Amino acid sequence: QQPVQSPQAVILREGEDAVINCSSSKALYSVHWYRQKHGEAPVFLMILLKGGEQKGHEKISASFNEKKQQSSLYLTASQLSYSGTYFCGTAPKSSGNTGKLIFGQGTTLQVKP
Amino acid sequence: GAVVSQHPSRVICKSGTSVKIECRSLDFQATTMFWYRQFPKQSLMLMATSNEGSKATYEQGVEKDKFLINHASLTLSTLTVTSAHPEDSSFYICSAEGLAGEKETQYFGPGTRLLVL
Repeated sequence: QQPVQSPQAVILREGEDAVINCSSSKALYSVHWYRQKHGEAPVFLMILLKGGEQKGHEKISASFNEKKQQSSLYLTASQLSYSGTYFCGTAPKSSGNTGKLIFGQGTTLQVKP
Repeated sequence: GAVVSQHPSRVICKSGTSVKIECRSLDFQATTMFWYRQFPKQSLMLMATSNEGSKATYEQGVEKDKFLINHASLTLSTLTVTSAHPEDSSFYICSAEGLAGEKETQYFGPGTRLLVL
């Protein structure tokens, strides 16, 4: 039931790009993306509510393929501040519209100078 | 906007005692609050869903008599870990969902680190 994120970990140099994928075995209402720094709570990045939706702010964007039950997070021209663990949270249709999120196992991103 | 606070941020207690954690939405009314537990280097595991004025809905495997949840108002939910044991040591995080910011978005509190000796 837990969505699968890939890759598990990635190391980048500043300025490089990365893609983090989130794949669910269940039909989804929405996909939510968060970034968590060590010892802190997750910080909301964005929510995708409709199939085919693409969103972004600054150099971080995401897409949601509802048919494939997948979402991808795109990080372009990475900065040191992008380091952290990225989680996708999925709202399965089987849970009804309860707002419940099931989180992936996380992708650890390390950006080096 | 959309600020969620938790108190305390850290707590150390003896085995067998109870600990209460508060979660507050500071600048919006939260129709629903969620409680998560996170062990080191692991994902966030949903424990329960809390709606104001009604009983919490617990996830499978979470003991409702051990983790008491009260959602007395639209801005406050509390989690009480009763008769805590060392295996309950974890990072407990609440989130609040409301009409602030993007609809259906959960905003997380800063978390409470519990250590049971």
